[in-house]
Amino acid sequence: AQSVTQLDSQVPVFEEAPVELRCNYSSSVSVYLFWYVQYPNQGLQLLLKYLSGSTLVKGINGFEAEFNKSQTSFHLRKPSVHISDTAEYFCAVSPYFQKLVFGTGTRLLVSP
Amino acid sequence: DTEVTQTPKHLVMGMTNKKSLKCEQHMGHRAMYWYKQKAKKPPELMFVYSYEKLSINESVPSRFSPECPNSSLLNLHLHALQPEDSALYLCASSQDRQRGAEETQYFGPGTRLLVL
Repeated sequence: AQSVTQLDSQVPVFEEAPVELRCNYSSSVSVYLFWYVQYPNQGLQLLLKYLSGSTLVKGINGFEAEFNKSQTSFHLRKPSVHISDTAEYFCAVSPYFQKLVFGTGTRLLVSP
Repeated sequence: DTEVTQTPKHLVMGMTNKKSLKCEQHMGHRAMYWYKQKAKKPPELMFVYSYEKLSINESVPSRFSPECPNSSLLNLHLHALQPEDSALYLCASSQDRQRGAEETQYFGPGTRLLVL
């Protein structure tokens, strides 16, 4: 079965510092990879996705992620975070049609 | 435009009540989804509709009854719920192109349900 591991349940960081949120997946076949963000009391918003092609994917709000097939990773990065980036971040893999497998989420806490 | 709307935003109901959640999208998507999300957990898939037909039911109890009246609307009818059904209910939609193609799901803001 496909699975997604987000090792860090919480990542505290100071404003304007860089951040990396880790995501590893297990899959024996080609998959599509996604990062979603969930702000407090809101639904999920798509940050970025990897389908094929360039392994560096740029998303909204200054986020980017790099697909690494050999390490089965899809880590999310931002060079300088803002207070408003405080949210829950979910990595997800789509192993087959209409199926999304989510990781357990990483809470990013940005403090001044 | 990638907007999925959901009503109501909040809902409080007793265990004997009947209520409905509504989801709407105008992106021309032909697949629509219901997810349940408990606090501090990822969303869990409940149902999928493709071209207005139920294609996936993840063994959801019958007290949850989905309905897709047309390609833009998705309802979730609730009856005789339990307190443990309290959660955020998320709707999503995707284009539903042919199998093997990528399907990006776009989510609504959710309905926060409290069952007393």
